[in-house]
Amino acid sequence: GESVGLHLPTLSVQEGDNSIINCAYSNSASDYFIWYKQESGKGPQFIIDIRSNMDKRQGQRVTVLLNKTVKHLSLQIAATQPGDSAVYFCAEKRGNNNDMRFGAGTRLTVKP
Amino acid sequence: GAGVSQSPSNKVTEKGKDVELRCDPISGHTALYWYRQSLGQGLEFLIYFQGNSAPDKSGLPSDRFSAERTGGSVSTLTIQRTQQEDSAVYLCASSLLGQNYGYTFGSGTRLTVV
Repeated sequence: GESVGLHLPTLSVQEGDNSIINCAYSNSASDYFIWYKQESGKGPQFIIDIRSNMDKRQGQRVTVLLNKTVKHLSLQIAATQPGDSAVYFCAEKRGNNNDMRFGAGTRLTVKP
Repeated sequence: GAGVSQSPSNKVTEKGKDVELRCDPISGHTALYWYRQSLGQGLEFLIYFQGNSAPDKSGLPSDRFSAERTGGSVSTLTIQRTQQEDSAVYLCASSLLGQNYGYTFGSGTRLTVV
């Protein structure tokens, strides 16, 4: 099977609990942030995004929080399900640059 | 097509050989990106195409790497004289606009150089 991310930080939660995945970004000029979910053998999938003029954005079972003061981004998943098990990446977009920089990722494992 | 398609899904090549990786973006998407994902690492930006503008090649790790996008659609990433450190998953993504939109990724090409 897919072996990407053997050395990634890991988070293990019980099914039904809430999960919080954290990310520190590096550039205070970054103005757009995205969380991606990557399941084994697949490309990353868009989950939720937030612009720098916002502190919080909610989706279906997911919430992204942005703290620009400390350059911190978090993804909260409510009532975590086995299907949420994946590697989660945060990404920052830097101003006028066209590339999006990704963090190293966190592997989330949901225990039944 | 309905999504971003990459081929081949897996490629094993001998050290020193050239390889070509293909990406078919979502129809109508003007922006196309290549990323590399090594074991235990995040996604490393390689190159970006936007419409008819000159591509942003700032992420290409060496002159052995090149990419082209023909007709504003299909893109090919070429690695010449492959090295073992080139082994990784190569991901392509496309988006409708170049900025402030989420990308749609393909499933990647896993390249193994032996």
